[in-house]
Amino acid sequence: DAGVTQSPTHLIKTRGQHVTLRCSPISGHKSVSWYQQVLGQGPQFIFQYYEKEERGRGNFPDRFSARQFPNYSSELNVNALLLGDSALYLCASIPTGTGSSGNTIYFGEGSWLTVV
Amino acid sequence: AQSVTQLGSHVSVSEGALVLLRCNYSSSVPPYLFWYVQYPNQGLQLLLKYTSAATLVKGINGFEAEFKKSETSFHLTKPSAHMSDAAEYFCAVSTLSGGYQKVTFGTGTKLQVIP
Repeated sequence: DAGVTQSPTHLIKTRGQHVTLRCSPISGHKSVSWYQQVLGQGPQFIFQYYEKEERGRGNFPDRFSARQFPNYSSELNVNALLLGDSALYLCASIPTGTGSSGNTIYFGEGSWLTVV
Repeated sequence: AQSVTQLGSHVSVSEGALVLLRCNYSSSVPPYLFWYVQYPNQGLQLLLKYTSAATLVKGINGFEAEFKKSETSFHLTKPSAHMSDAAEYFCAVSTLSGGYQKVTFGTGTKLQVIP
């Protein structure tokens, strides 16, 4: 079975530009979360989506947005990029979306974003 | 509110020596706890998970962790380090928040294994 797939794996953007990152969860998983991992730190929660609805949001500005499609894949969009947005963006696949805090979260390999 | 503190951003051990990576958590409700490993330029891989079924949890690659409620700790151990264990390790706490699973990670501990 395929794991969590993310694309692109690496990209370089200029300040002020927009970026779209994509994620496909594990087959059968209906929930996707996005995390930002800045170099030298642990992952920080950005969003969780379940059944195409936003179920949770971390402390990130409105420049960050996401959506989930009928096939449960997801996109993370970041507008007006800043140098500080340079990070590894991780997508996580979760078996269920609500009602349990014990679900194992499965991570993809991530998308490395460099803003210059 | 929940938080995770990992003591020691870098830990060095000799090959064959005991590995001990420390994690303390703070949570207002009974938490689920996780340890993840991250190899260079890769995503996070689950090592083990505490779900309250047993306080001593065994994971992959010979790692285990013990949940101690009185100490609010969930330290990760391995009896004998191998060169392939060199990686960064993250402790995480998970609770329900507003109906969704909120996971908070520690800042990570880089493990160096010396031959």
